[in-house]
Amino acid sequence: EAGVAQSPRYKIIEKRQSVAFWCNPISGHATLYWYQQILGQGPKLLIQFQNNGVVDDSQLPKDRFSAERLKGVDSTLKIQPAKLEDSAVYLCASSLVTGLSYEQYFGPGTRLTVT
Amino acid sequence: AQSVTQLDSHVSVSEGTPVLLRCNYSSSYSPSLFWYVQHPNKGLQLLLKYTSAATLVKGINGFEAEFKKSETSFHLTKPSAHMSDAAEYFCVVSDPPGNQFYFGTGTSLTVIP
Repeated sequence: EAGVAQSPRYKIIEKRQSVAFWCNPISGHATLYWYQQILGQGPKLLIQFQNNGVVDDSQLPKDRFSAERLKGVDSTLKIQPAKLEDSAVYLCASSLVTGLSYEQYFGPGTRLTVT
Repeated sequence: AQSVTQLDSHVSVSEGTPVLLRCNYSSSYSPSLFWYVQHPNKGLQLLLKYTSAATLVKGINGFEAEFKKSETSFHLTKPSAHMSDAAEYFCVVSDPPGNQFYFGTGTSLTVIP
């Protein structure tokens, strides 16, 4: 079974520039998550989708971050404009919610450096 | 409110000795609890999960954890550490189960040859 795919793996941009990350979840997984992991910290949920609807985006900085999941499969996360404090690893995860089986499967992440 | 506290930010053990990584949680419900491992430059991998079944949970690579409701703990153990166990470990609570995951701040495990 193919895992969660993310691209790019690394990105370096200057502050005030924009950037987009892409995620392809495991086939059949209805739920998709984007996390931000700052160095030395645990992942923090940014947004959760159920199919193509948003379930929770309470911690998404909506003035600069946006995310979409068209057709309930792939998803993109965008930052515009980027700030220095956005430097982090952005993780995508997906889960198949059925009964008690809802653990999240994570992609390798995209490491963003804002200079 | 839900939260997870990993009591040690760094743990060092010698190869072949037991591993104990401590985790305490707070929850308004009957939570589901997970341990994930993150090797350098790799994605997070599920080690084990507790979902209201048996309180002693066995995971991959010889790890296990015991859910103790009275102590609100979910400590991760392994009888004998291997060099390949060196990684970052995260305790996670899902509360209510299936909803948002709350991650601890992580414990970095070093295994000394």
